[in-house]
Amino acid sequence: GAVVSQHPSRVICKSGTSVKIECRSLDFQATTMFWYRQFPKQSLMLMATSNEGSKATYEQGVEKDKFLINHASLTLSTLTVTSAHPEDSSFYICSARAAGGEQFFGPGTRLTVL
Amino acid sequence: GENVEQHPSTLSVQEGDSAVIKCTYSDSASNYFPWYKQELGKRPQLIIDIRSNVGEKKDQRIAVTLNKTAKHFSLHITETQPEDSAVYFCAASKGTYKYIFGTGTRLKVLA
Repeated sequence: GAVVSQHPSRVICKSGTSVKIECRSLDFQATTMFWYRQFPKQSLMLMATSNEGSKATYEQGVEKDKFLINHASLTLSTLTVTSAHPEDSSFYICSARAAGGEQFFGPGTRLTVL
Repeated sequence: GENVEQHPSTLSVQEGDSAVIKCTYSDSASNYFPWYKQELGKRPQLIIDIRSNVGEKKDQRIAVTLNKTAKHFSLHITETQPEDSAVYFCAASKGTYKYIFGTGTRLKVLA
């Protein structure tokens, strides 16, 4: 199957700092990538849809100025959590949409904001 | 917008027994329904999917059924094994675009 990587796998930062998470499709091109957030023992909540070469589409309730998304190429999307606070601590997972429409997920990034 | 409900939230079965997880969706325009398996701390893995032009699909011990009229679909796992223990998520989407996930089912297979 298609491979999606995510970096870093874990990050701990101080409150007020910004954190950048990268999502890469390693063996296929993805015009569309998705960013999800998952709290412990809960489902995946879609945050935004990242489209290569255009602005991301955010779900209702997700602050676009706080969660900056850049999809600069067909294999890379980045999520930047700006001015992170403890309530932003979560498991962030990206997925990349393959040509057949299936989504393949990255391994996730566990963010802890102190 | 689409809303996906999933039941049960937890399910324990004896090894060798079958497990069934059910999902309902609200948007009749949804036409693609994947199922993902997620082990603790790991990424969700696609295990099977079904499109709305098909009523049933099977892959070895795993099968999915779809009832478009009732707007529900189910995952069936037969001859369960301990390694089937994980959290399973259903999802619904229109045109394989944006997925709306169910709340998840934690399956425990008891040896």
